Amino acid sequence: GENVEQHPSTLSVQEGDSAVIKCTYSDSASNYFPWYKQELGKRPQLIIDIRSNVGEKKDQRIAVTLNKTAKHFSLHITETQPEDSAVYFCAARISGSARQLTFGSGTQLTVLP
Amino acid sequence: DGGITQSPKYLFRKEGQNVTLSCEQNLNHDAMYWYRQDPGQGLRLIYYSQIVNDFQKGDIAEGYSVSREKKESFPLTVTSAQKNPTAFYLCASTNGGDYNEQFFGPGTRLTVL
Repeated sequence: GENVEQHPSTLSVQEGDSAVIKCTYSDSASNYFPWYKQELGKRPQLIIDIRSNVGEKKDQRIAVTLNKTAKHFSLHITETQPEDSAVYFCAARISGSARQLTFGSGTQLTVLP
Repeated sequence: DGGITQSPKYLFRKEGQNVTLSCEQNLNHDAMYWYRQDPGQGLRLIYYSQIVNDFQKGDIAEGYSVSREKKESFPLTVTSAQKNPTAFYLCASTNGGDYNEQFFGPGTRLTVL
């Protein structure tokens, strides 16, 4: 099965700085890589995703990059704001695998004012 | 907070008791999932169902049971066989092909007294 590793587990940045969270996956058959944001006590919500046939995707201050050869993908948040503080999870889905997602262990991002 | 609902939000159980967590969706999604979330461990898959009257074990199914008698409902029973049931439980659903978003419910926090 798929295995997803996520680093770092905690990340503190100053407001306005950039934050980068990295994930690696094990199964080369994975073709879909979403990122979720979870605020304390709330449900995870999708913030951006990328398919395996795309190398980079951007949505305002958020971008995701994918390196299929190295089997890693990263979340980039620019111009961080206090409301970006949350836990972020990466995930991977193997093509045709009952649409299951395998999640990373999460990164607690804290944006310091 | 429409789409997927979970009840109750908080649940307290005495040791040795079974308890059932409710999950309902009105998104007409075929596939539904149950995850367990513990601090610092991300989301782990308990059970999933792709169609009515069919379900499969996930990575940590021991001590849990599910049913899928209706497309919109996927209840999870935490049995007395589950040794450490205190956790945050999340239900999710998705539809269609490889790239569709997985939507989460608001979660149920179960505490064993």
